Amino acid sequence: GQQLNQSPQSMFIQEGEDVSMNCTSSSIFNTWLWYKQEPGEGPVLLIALYKAGELTSNGRLTAQFGITRKDSFLNISASIPSDVGIYFCAGQQGGTSYGKLTFGQGTILTVHP
Amino acid sequence: DSGVTQTPKHLITATGQRVTLRCSPRSGDLSVYWYQQSLDQGLQFLIHYYNGEERAKGNILERFSAQQFPDLHSELNLSSLELGDSALYFCASSGVGGSYNEQFFGPGTRLTVL
Repeated sequence: GQQLNQSPQSMFIQEGEDVSMNCTSSSIFNTWLWYKQEPGEGPVLLIALYKAGELTSNGRLTAQFGITRKDSFLNISASIPSDVGIYFCAGQQGGTSYGKLTFGQGTILTVHP
Repeated sequence: DSGVTQTPKHLITATGQRVTLRCSPRSGDLSVYWYQQSLDQGLQFLIHYYNGEERAKGNILERFSAQQFPDLHSELNLSSLELGDSALYFCASSGVGGSYNEQFFGPGTRLTVL
């Protein structure tokens, strides 16, 4: 089925460092979403993107909707220990798939104090 | 707290059995989605209901079915369970106080099939 390629698979960083992760696809998406999941919980929506080229921030998080509509990027600045978790990108195509989210494999983030 | 509730939190059952997972969407949301999360497949879309009607289906097995009731809560029924059905099952909802595209997830039901 449809796949989103998310990288890196995991990151081990020091507190205070910036983090970048991305998601790519061979298909076009109309909406990109970024989620964070912590152990034993459901994914929590961080940022939603609706237009190619759009850059949106949520506190220390910034995400971009790629110009080609086939990719998206998430940056976290000045990481802190509570940023630990799994970050997922998700894309939505519309049409008959309207509502369906296709997820990336996730990026596991570990922050060392 | 996303406002989406799911019960039960954990479910342990045997192969061949049938279970029902329940989801209550955020107040006012008309859309409910079901997803399965497993180690090998990741998060996979199963099905979408809007105001009681099925809108889209993903890779949902024939042994699985869902419905959305007039009060907008939804149930996912899993029958003839197999070991491979062990996974986390999430419900999400959308529609109120944001874009229709923004889906808010519940805490999930962890299903273990022995």
